[in-house]
Amino acid sequence: DTAVSQTPKYLVTQMGNDKSIKCEQNLGHDTMYWYKQDSKKFLKIMFSYNNKELIINETVPNRFSPKSPDKAHLNLHINSLELGDSAVYFCASSSLQGNTEAFFGQGTRLTVV
Amino acid sequence: GESVGLHLPTLSVQEGDNSIINCAYSNSASDYFIWYKQESGKGPQFIIDIRSNMDKRQGQRVTVLLNKTVKHLSLQIAATQPGDSAVYFCAEGGADSGYSTLTFGKGTMLLVSP
Repeated sequence: DTAVSQTPKYLVTQMGNDKSIKCEQNLGHDTMYWYKQDSKKFLKIMFSYNNKELIINETVPNRFSPKSPDKAHLNLHINSLELGDSAVYFCASSSLQGNTEAFFGQGTRLTVV
Repeated sequence: GESVGLHLPTLSVQEGDNSIINCAYSNSASDYFIWYKQESGKGPQFIIDIRSNMDKRQGQRVTVLLNKTVKHLSLQIAATQPGDSAVYFCAEGGADSGYSTLTFGKGTMLLVSP
């Protein structure tokens, strides 16, 4: 059973398009995250979200927006895609914020052409 | 801002050797530290964690050492195997870590030769 699953695994799209990446966790966790991993493998938090609070990294452009239909899902919507958005995006979840293990999905490699 | 970083970007070892991957952190308020392994094409996978009230913790073939005096964290892998080849990340967490999430270091590539 996959704990944190993301779809699609690969996404190739043109500049200016709007796209979404879906994430689901079956661990019963109450906090979910989106991370961006650049070409140098650096992992940077984009969003932290639970049923009470959305915490946004202020460096993330407002073209990126997380949407959570329920506690087990946190989707990432990206509007007006730019070349610099190309990266691997990871969804993760944990049971407590900041002081416990986070479980990661397999990643979505986004390529903007 | 405060950050977590690694001394060695790439570490090459022979199969059977012991490996040591180092990490320096600067946020003295961090109280939780974790090591992740990321294989090619996969997401980071938990290896071992340690809380700030400890200085050593052992798992299966892995040991994490925490030196709060010099803000240093290390991961020791005993009898390294080719399957250990991956990028290893240290991460810190705690109430003072910005977004109440894990902050990752830059990663070290471990290459194990048979």
